Amino acid sequence: AQSVTQLDSHVSVSEGTPVLLRCNYSSSYSPSLFWYVQHPNKGLQLLLKYTSAATLVKGINGFEAEFKKSETSFHLTKPSAHMSDAAEYFCVVSGRKTSYDKVIFGPGTSLSVIP
Amino acid sequence: AAGVIQSPRHLIKEKRETATLKCYPIPRHDTVYWYQQGPGQDPQFLISFYEKMQSDKGSIPDRFSAQQFSDYHSELNMSSLELGDSALYFCASSFNTLQGEGGNEQFFGPGTRLTVL
Repeated sequence: AQSVTQLDSHVSVSEGTPVLLRCNYSSSYSPSLFWYVQHPNKGLQLLLKYTSAATLVKGINGFEAEFKKSETSFHLTKPSAHMSDAAEYFCVVSGRKTSYDKVIFGPGTSLSVIP
Repeated sequence: AAGVIQSPRHLIKEKRETATLKCYPIPRHDTVYWYQQGPGQDPQFLISFYEKMQSDKGSIPDRFSAQQFSDYHSELNMSSLELGDSALYFCASSFNTLQGEGGNEQFFGPGTRLTVL
């Protein structure tokens, strides 16, 4: 069984300050982990992914995440927030079955960036 | 690069009507997934198809059905529409490239926004 917890439903930061969006997962095997971003009334865009290679993953727009197996965490960070980062962020855990991937979305974290 | 195509992008229906949503996966992708995202909600998995056969089923109502055709496009058929069916419906496709237990990246379409009046 798999599950995803995003510890904060809403995060607010000032422009130019660091961003930390937290994600913890539970899985009975070694899953892949993803972060997606969704701007208002838009589709889902992949920010970055972990698929059992390097534990520190760099994504688009200056975001990165570190996979920590001992803590079952995959927190998303960015050194300096930009106004355009304001959006909804989803952490996703995915495990491979025989002929499909079992995908679980976290509940999402809404990021606000204050000018 | 080709992306996942969904049509229509917007659809307005009355209660009790039917609707058909279409999804065209990325060429050579073998798996299609359907998700429903209500207002302020995270995407909920509905159903998936691998090589034209249903592979997994989530929280899809009995009023909904789906299939994948020989050209790999998929259609989600929704009958007896209810107000609560108003949502953004995403289709995603993937191709299995990984050897381990982790799932593959899913490529999402832009979504179909369904409004039921």
